[in-house]
Amino acid sequence: DIQMTQTPSSLSASLGDRVTITCRASQSIKKYLNWYLQKPGKAPELLIYGASILQDGVPSRFSGSSSATDFTLTISSLQSADFGTYYCQQTSNAPLTFGGGTRVEMK
Amino acid sequence: EVQLLDSGGGVVQPGGSLRLSCAASGFTFSSYAMSWVRQAPGKGLEWVSILNGNDGKTYYADSVRGRFTISRDNSKNTLFLQMTSLRPEDTAIYYCAKNRGSNWSPLDYWGQGILVTVSS
Repeated sequence: DIQMTQTPSSLSASLGDRVTITCRASQSIKKYLNWYLQKPGKAPELLIYGASILQDGVPSRFSGSSSATDFTLTISSLQSADFGTYYCQQTSNAPLTFGGGTRVEMK
Repeated sequence: EVQLLDSGGGVVQPGGSLRLSCAASGFTFSSYAMSWVRQAPGKGLEWVSILNGNDGKTYYADSVRGRFTISRDNSKNTLFLQMTSLRPEDTAIYYCAKNRGSNWSPLDYWGQGILVTVSS
């Protein structure tokens, strides 16, 4: 099974900060990497798929990049709507594993 | 508008069974893969199962394989998860989700989630 390691597990940031979250796959998943945001008490929502493609309606302050088995989610200027827990997921091979999550809190 | 409505959760004793349903609307249900994802209280997301829309193949997490069965009724636009031999560690919110494509692909729409509690 492919393991997805997300770092950090949590971070504190202020409005307007640039935030970076990393996800590392245990083997090649090409660009089959997705990012989700889950707000408390809600279902997750898809932000980015294919490592760097923005889902419809997602603000352009979100971006994704990749290098081999390392994937990065960047928020260029953190807004109040961005607080919550971020998850990566690989859809290269079943089981379609998620990372452990990164909780983004207000500093 | 895509809508997914999860139902069928509740409290069940260890070793018991439960069937979850997910009523879908707003898209051509039979054309897409559909998935189940769960989240134990205070924990992260765990992928459970997927049923492909193109070839009908199913895949499961190791933790549920042999105990859970995913299926669909395309005539009723409904996805199911039959859960048997339930264990306390199966306690979680279960989400059905629509895949973006007909097989392994991102989850672009999610249900509201349904709580399953396995306890004596």
